Amino acid sequence: KQEVTQIPAALSVPEGENLVLNCSFTDSAIYNLQWFRQDPGKGLTSLLLIQSSQREQTSGRLNASLDKSSGRSTLYIAASQPGDSATYLCAVGANNAGNMLTFGGGTRLMVKP
Amino acid sequence: GAVVSQHPSWVICKSGTSVKIECRSLDFQATTMFWYRQFPKQSLMLMATSNEGSKATYEQGVEKDKFLINHASLTLSTLTVTSAHPEDSSFYICSADQFSTYEQYFGPGTRLTVT
Repeated sequence: KQEVTQIPAALSVPEGENLVLNCSFTDSAIYNLQWFRQDPGKGLTSLLLIQSSQREQTSGRLNASLDKSSGRSTLYIAASQPGDSATYLCAVGANNAGNMLTFGGGTRLMVKP
Repeated sequence: GAVVSQHPSWVICKSGTSVKIECRSLDFQATTMFWYRQFPKQSLMLMATSNEGSKATYEQGVEKDKFLINHASLTLSTLTVTSAHPEDSSFYICSADQFSTYEQYFGPGTRLTVT
């Protein structure tokens, strides 16, 4: 059974810092990996999707990498802003047509002005 | 981009009543839809997977008779919480799987409070 772990569980940084969020998974036979953002009481916003054949994806100040063999992904946020404060979730897609996602516990990020 | 809507966004109901939550993919056809539940300060937990025209597949520990899922078309899935109890109060989120990319798009969620 796939297990997804995110470290750290919570992170507080001053504005402007570059930061890295970590995600690890136990079964490397994945279809894809997604990073999501969730604001309190809201639904999920998809940030980046990495297919199993890819090593990284970039969108603006965000960069996500994937190392399937070691079961790891990182989300890099450059020049953090207070508006980046949210919970970041990593989810791994199963290696089948249904693409069932298994979520990590999330990292609660607070960026202080 | 692909958009998924949920209705209602929040609902309060009395214990013992049933509540239906709709999930729609607005600009694409979804062969598979997923229902998740999220308790406060916890991550999402998959409840069930539904494919259009067939019975839903429920995760272990999820009562199929309590959480009825109907996936009547390629753009609509419904989750009915039957005989709701206060412990069913939660944030319910659906997602739809776009066939061509297998990327999941999430709805905004429905906050259910059972009094």
